[in-house]
Amino acid sequence: TQLLEQSPQFLSIQEGENLTVYCNSSSVFSSLQWYRQEPGEGPVLLVTVVTGGEVKKLKRLTFQFGDARKDSSLHITAAQTGDTGLYLCAGESSGYALNFGKGTSLLVTP
Amino acid sequence: GAVVSQHPSRVICKSGTSVKIECRSLDFQATTMFWYRQFPKKSLMLMATSNEGSKATYEQGVEKDKFLINHASLTLSTLTVTSAHPEDSSFYICSAMASGRTYEQYFGPGTRLTVT
Repeated sequence: TQLLEQSPQFLSIQEGENLTVYCNSSSVFSSLQWYRQEPGEGPVLLVTVVTGGEVKKLKRLTFQFGDARKDSSLHITAAQTGDTGLYLCAGESSGYALNFGKGTSLLVTP
Repeated sequence: GAVVSQHPSRVICKSGTSVKIECRSLDFQATTMFWYRQFPKKSLMLMATSNEGSKATYEQGVEKDKFLINHASLTLSTLTVTSAHPEDSSFYICSAMASGRTYEQYFGPGTRLTVT
């Protein structure tokens, strides 16, 4: 099993602040996905990055895949209370199964 | 598109009974489905990979005789928790990978199992 380390584990910020979540591994991944999960629901796919150095933007969310395809980051600009949730990164290497990070629990307060 | 459903969403059963959870891909065919288990405030733990028409591949430490997986069609996989015990209580989530799109998985809404 290839380990994915996510940091920070918990983050509490106020609306309007910016934040970055990191996902690191010593292994190379074919692709990396970011998911957001709310309590009692399944994860929802936010983005998939495939190419080293790739940057993808989804409104206020910016995702980056490291050049060596071992790490990724998620940056949220001007956080809103609706961004609250558990953010999970997951790497796919071979066999299609995903290795999930431990997640970052984000709380955005008014 | 890419909707995955799970049924039931919540189930309570008594120790010693068996429970079946269904995972369906509603608008696409899924050659491969995955079953995960998630503890409160924790990440997802892969239990097994389910391939249509063949035996499931279980992760290390997951008892295949306890967690029976069947993937009889391209849109349906089932997980049966046999002889359930309180320690099997958990949130079970399935995901499906669309045929031809090998790196995107779509998750079901999860099933909350409580064993009393």
